Amino acid sequence: EVQLVESGGGLVQPGGSLRLSCAASGFTFSRNWMTWVRQAPGKGLEWVANIKQDGSEKYYVDSVRGRFTISRDNAKNSLFLQMDTLRAEDTAVYYCARDTVFWDSHTSAWYRGGGGIDFWGQGTMVTVSS
Amino acid sequence: ELTQPPSVSVSPGQTARITCSGDALPKRYAYWYQQKSGQAPVLVIFEDDKQPSGIPERFSGSNSGAMATLTITGAQVEDEADYYCYSADSNGNHWVFGGGTKLTVL
Repeated sequence: EVQLVESGGGLVQPGGSLRLSCAASGFTFSRNWMTWVRQAPGKGLEWVANIKQDGSEKYYVDSVRGRFTISRDNAKNSLFLQMDTLRAEDTAVYYCARDTVFWDSHTSAWYRGGGGIDFWGQGTMVTVSS
Repeated sequence: ELTQPPSVSVSPGQTARITCSGDALPKRYAYWYQQKSGQAPVLVIFEDDKQPSGIPERFSGSNSGAMATLTITGAQVEDEADYYCYSADSNGNHWVFGGGTKLTVL
């Protein structure tokens, strides 16, 4: 059974830092791009960042670039989000998510396909407030 | 940017259509997620028109021109939820969600 379990959320003051973790199980973690998505209370979903299988490529939404850092440890099947200089507008549920990967029987290789998300964790709440 | 209508309302058994417009959609796949209150999102359509296993056949998708559409044929009360489209920008490196559509079935 595929599982993504986030942890590390909580209450932090503006300007503070938090490190979110996501423990993956039930699939071969090193095959997939991984993504962080957030949802402010009562609002829609917002893509935050993603990371390539080997960590060599990372992309961020403009509002967090320079403040947040996505990383992964394939040996420990874990994804991370280091969040610094937090602002009130960063208050949200943060979801860890797995991007699609498909098996190509013709080439006998895994490939990313379209790159969207196919599985989500249950989320961890981050509240930035004084 | 992806644009969705804020709300769609249908009676049970009717067809619900939720649209998603964006400039990059002619070049990028669309994905659709269902989110019920207090729960994590669930993938219902991937790569424009493909169904994940376990998703009822009444869910279908299309992508033509600069608009993707999620269609629920014979909507059920249990389909009431927020629906989000998702796609990449023209470079394929940054991703964006539509603003979400609240589907009411009653």
